[in-house]
Amino acid sequence: AQSVTQLGSHVSVSEGALVLLRCNYSSSVPPYLFWYVQYPNQGLQLLLKYTSAATLVKGINGFEAEFKKSETSFHLTKPSAHMSDAAEYFCAVTGGGADGLTFGKGTHLIIQP
Amino acid sequence: DVKVTQSSRYLVKRTGEKVFLECVQDMDHENMFWYRQDPGLGLRLIYFSYDVKMKEKGDIPEGYSVSREKKERFSLILESASTNQTSMYLCASSSGQSDEQFFGPGTRLTVL
Repeated sequence: AQSVTQLGSHVSVSEGALVLLRCNYSSSVPPYLFWYVQYPNQGLQLLLKYTSAATLVKGINGFEAEFKKSETSFHLTKPSAHMSDAAEYFCAVTGGGADGLTFGKGTHLIIQP
Repeated sequence: DVKVTQSSRYLVKRTGEKVFLECVQDMDHENMFWYRQDPGLGLRLIYFSYDVKMKEKGDIPEGYSVSREKKERFSLILESASTNQTSMYLCASSSGQSDEQFFGPGTRLTVL
């Protein structure tokens, strides 16, 4: 079984500031990890994914995430927030097989001008 | 450009009605999924399918059924809609069971 915890249902940052969205996972097997973004009234779009290659993963729109096995974490970062980054972000994990993806409850990112 | 489409963006139904939500993908994916999304609860898996005519229950299947007669189409059925089924419904598809899932735009269903 696997699970995901996203710390903070809402995160607010100023435009131009660092974005840090936290994700911790549990998995009994080596995980595959994903970050998705959801803009208002839209479906989810993949930002990036970790599949046991490089631990630092670069995604779209300047986002990146680092897989830290010792901390069971996969935090999402962006050096400089833009107003267009305001959205809901979901972390997801899978251990493979028939379990599919397990999603966190989401973090709403607010960008202040 | 790969695509998952859902039959309606917004839907309003009355309690007790039978409701069909349709999802079509054009990527020849084996796997298809139905989720519901509610504020503070994230995405919860209702049903999924790994092959034509095959279905598996997810975490919250009660009150729902599904149909997959063709590889590209996965339907979610609410046999008798209730107000607690008011929600955003998201369909997704993937190539492998552990692969990235591609999502449709969602259907916001309101049951009065």
